[in-house]
Amino acid sequence: EADIYQTPRYLVIGTGKKITLECSQTMGHDKMYWYQQDPGMELHLIHYSYGVNSTEKGDLSSESTVSRIRTEHFPLTLESARPSHTSQYLCASSESGRALPVPLEQYFGPGTRLTVT
Amino acid sequence: KNQVEQSPQSLIILEGKNCTLQCNYTVSPFSNLRWYKQDTGRGPVSLTIMTFSENTKSNGRYTATLDADTKQSSLHITASQLSDSASYICVVSDRGSTLGRLYFGRGTQLTVWP
Repeated sequence: EADIYQTPRYLVIGTGKKITLECSQTMGHDKMYWYQQDPGMELHLIHYSYGVNSTEKGDLSSESTVSRIRTEHFPLTLESARPSHTSQYLCASSESGRALPVPLEQYFGPGTRLTVT
Repeated sequence: KNQVEQSPQSLIILEGKNCTLQCNYTVSPFSNLRWYKQDTGRGPVSLTIMTFSENTKSNGRYTATLDADTKQSSLHITASQLSDSASYICVVSDRGSTLGRLYFGRGTQLTVWP
């Protein structure tokens, strides 16, 4: 089982609040990712990081921001939550350094179910 | 447009029966195809990863097949158990970038009844 953790698991919060979703991994992986998933829909990449001080936006536009100050930690922040942010947020990580085309396994955390009222 | 389509959208089977889930993709250039199992309220867990040169891979009662020519994959589950109830997601990765861009299907929701 992958050693990747997310907190909180569930969060119900009012509109306008600032929130931070935590993600930590103990595998020493360089690459980390944030996905957003609505019920019955596919995962959408919203942020990724290749390593410390490296962050990039993903395919799905998101009002959230991320930081990568430490290898093991990749928090996601919403400055002002809105009902449209209600979704499941999944964090993942993968190792690096292997030559293509060997596929890199992505390990997912348990997710944070966010509800904004 | 790179897409991953899965069928059926949902499936109900009785415990002990076999089933096959389908995945069609248009991702190009193709790198690898993965099947994940996602329990309700949890993150996806990898079942198999197949590259272009592999056409079958097994993981216990799960067997995945890949036909890179027709761009189709299937996941066969034998002797289903109640714990197999989950969403099964097909994910295809393209070549050419270190990130290996992943394209996700919407999943097949499998329910196993006793």
